[in-house]
Amino acid sequence: DQQVKQNSPSLSVQEGRISILNCDYTNSMFDYFLWYKKYPAEGPTFLISISSIKDKNEDGRFTVFLNKSAKHLSLHIVPSQPGDSAVYFCAARTGGKSTFGDGTTLTVKP
Amino acid sequence: GAGVSQSPRYKVAKRGQDVALRCDPISGHVSLFWYQQALGQGPEFLTYFQNEAQLDKSGLPSDRFFAERPEGSVSTLKIQRTQQEDSAVYLCASSPREDRLDIQYFGAGTRLSVL
Repeated sequence: DQQVKQNSPSLSVQEGRISILNCDYTNSMFDYFLWYKKYPAEGPTFLISISSIKDKNEDGRFTVFLNKSAKHLSLHIVPSQPGDSAVYFCAARTGGKSTFGDGTTLTVKP
Repeated sequence: GAGVSQSPRYKVAKRGQDVALRCDPISGHVSLFWYQQALGQGPEFLTYFQNEAQLDKSGLPSDRFFAERPEGSVSTLKIQRTQQEDSAVYLCASSPREDRLDIQYFGAGTRLSVL
């Protein structure tokens, strides 16, 4: 059973518009949620995180929203830029163990 | 400063061969993590160290997998008697603090192919 799911394998948006990436989880014990960005042939890069006691965290163009009742989180990128094109992984953590989704490939078209 | 360094970048092994994958974390980072990433999937947790102590090894898929970090710095992931299903990218990450384990810095990974 997959505890963290990213149901959209890919997303394409126009430059300047909003990108919304979604993630669902099943384990209520997760205490931190994270988003990572990955370019080909590189390791994932930490983007933004949110504690389970909060519902929103913002960092520049990136905002993560957490809906605990729905066990759902989303990453908003505004405005989207061509350099944002990458694979985005959602992850959830308990203790030292992080569980990742399978990723969403974002393509931002100029 | 230098990031997390993994070597080798690519490893081809014959089925049944033993392999050792090395991770050099960012200097001073307390925590170190190993992940296995199959093609088209997200990283899967293998094990986690805090300094030299292995605090969680629940993700190691079998007793053929062994990880160590004897001096609390460099870590080695060893796979004995490799099988084809072990083919994957092995990622190492380190974290500077014990209380903010979310901030993990990843290496580029070692791509292991077992023939």
